[in-house]
Amino acid sequence: GAVVSQHPSWVICKSGTSVKIECRSLDFQATTMFWYRQFPKQSLMLMATSNEGSKATYEQGVEKDKFLINHASLTLSTLTVTSAHPEDSSFYICSAVLAGVETQYFGPGTRLLVL
Amino acid sequence: DQQVKQNSPSLSVQEGRISILNCDYTNSMFDYFLWYKKYPAEGPTFLISISSIKDKNEDGRFTVFLNKSAKHLSLHIVPSQPGDSAVYFCAASEYGGTYKYIFGTGTRLKVLA
Repeated sequence: GAVVSQHPSWVICKSGTSVKIECRSLDFQATTMFWYRQFPKQSLMLMATSNEGSKATYEQGVEKDKFLINHASLTLSTLTVTSAHPEDSSFYICSAVLAGVETQYFGPGTRLLVL
Repeated sequence: DQQVKQNSPSLSVQEGRISILNCDYTNSMFDYFLWYKKYPAEGPTFLISISSIKDKNEDGRFTVFLNKSAKHLSLHIVPSQPGDSAVYFCAASEYGGTYKYIFGTGTRLKVLA
């Protein structure tokens, strides 16, 4: 149980285009999901906290207009990288919280390459 | 400002011996700590956690020790196995395991057969 999926697993796009990444909790409902980003050989950096039915809370330095987060249901959160640029190339990982369990379950990640 | 640090970027251990991974933090508000294992291009996998009210938690081959006064925690793996080779991240949270995590910089463990 407690499986989190992400789609797509990798994406290559041209600079200036927008890319949507989906995060789904497959066998549980998640009122809270988190989005992280990892650059090569670096740590996972929290980008935002996504709560179902409300606006996401962004960490300092993360542009909310560039990284649009929507958590429309208890099993789905989406991250849209708008007008992507090469510096947005990274590994994006989501996690979900299962009620009553003191841990986050992570998705497999999405590798984004912006040319 | 790196609130959670893992000062050893890599560690090599012989199979069957003990692996000790260390993590230091600066934020005294952290009350929950976790260790995750991660392979390249995959999401982290939860290993073990500890609340600040404890100083030790054990789960099979994995034991986490917390020294609050020193703001230090460690993960012991014994005996180490080649399949344990991965990058290990410690993470900390201010409000339990369901709140946002601050991750350390990671330690790459290599267990030699």
